[in-house]
Amino acid sequence: NAGVTQTPKFQVLKTGQSMTLQCAQDMNHEYMSWYRQDPGMGLRLIHYSVGAGITDQGEVPNGYNVSRSTTEDFPLRLLSAAPSQTSVYFCASREGVGGNTIYFGEGSWLTVV
Amino acid sequence: AQSVAQPEDQVNVAEGNPLTVKCTYSVSGNPYLFWYVQYPNRGLQFLLKYITGDNLVKGSYGFEAEFNKSQTSFHLKKPSALVSDSALYFCAVRDNTGGFKTIFGAGTRLFVKA
Repeated sequence: NAGVTQTPKFQVLKTGQSMTLQCAQDMNHEYMSWYRQDPGMGLRLIHYSVGAGITDQGEVPNGYNVSRSTTEDFPLRLLSAAPSQTSVYFCASREGVGGNTIYFGEGSWLTVV
Repeated sequence: AQSVAQPEDQVNVAEGNPLTVKCTYSVSGNPYLFWYVQYPNRGLQFLLKYITGDNLVKGSYGFEAEFNKSQTSFHLKKPSALVSDSALYFCAVRDNTGGFKTIFGAGTRLFVKA
């Protein structure tokens, strides 16, 4: 019963490098999203998807890209890493409309130097 | 626009005492309200939610929360705190009109002293 799986757990990048955070869920959830968590700011929504082939921007999308080619996978790409992107990233999923619970991955700790 | 406020950065309580973690919200229409807990270096775990019905909602690990529509609050409570309850707690809200976005508060760190 894997739930939401994120990789890698820890990553150090140099400024200007690119990388992809992987996210997969095995619950057949329609909705998937990426959040970043920064001290004192809670979780802020980066990008989200309401189904395969459909993505949209959240509160803080700049510097990130996403795609949703399958229901299961929702990778987050950092195009050119900046120190301001040092954060903890969480992938999440839930069933469609309604008061359904969000399920989170274990997080990816990213440091940009 | 939706918003969530958790007015306390940290709550300190002695083991065995009751605890309250406060949350107020703003949303157009009726809300879906959630509490999540985060232990160090882990993802967020679901505690409980209010969708409709009884204003007192019971959840995991003995936690409960009371929905108060007139005060737009959804405070998290537990009658007797445990040291193992020490963690970061997040309140979240989503409107019930079919919107996607769930908005999270900044979090409240609960510290339970033995």
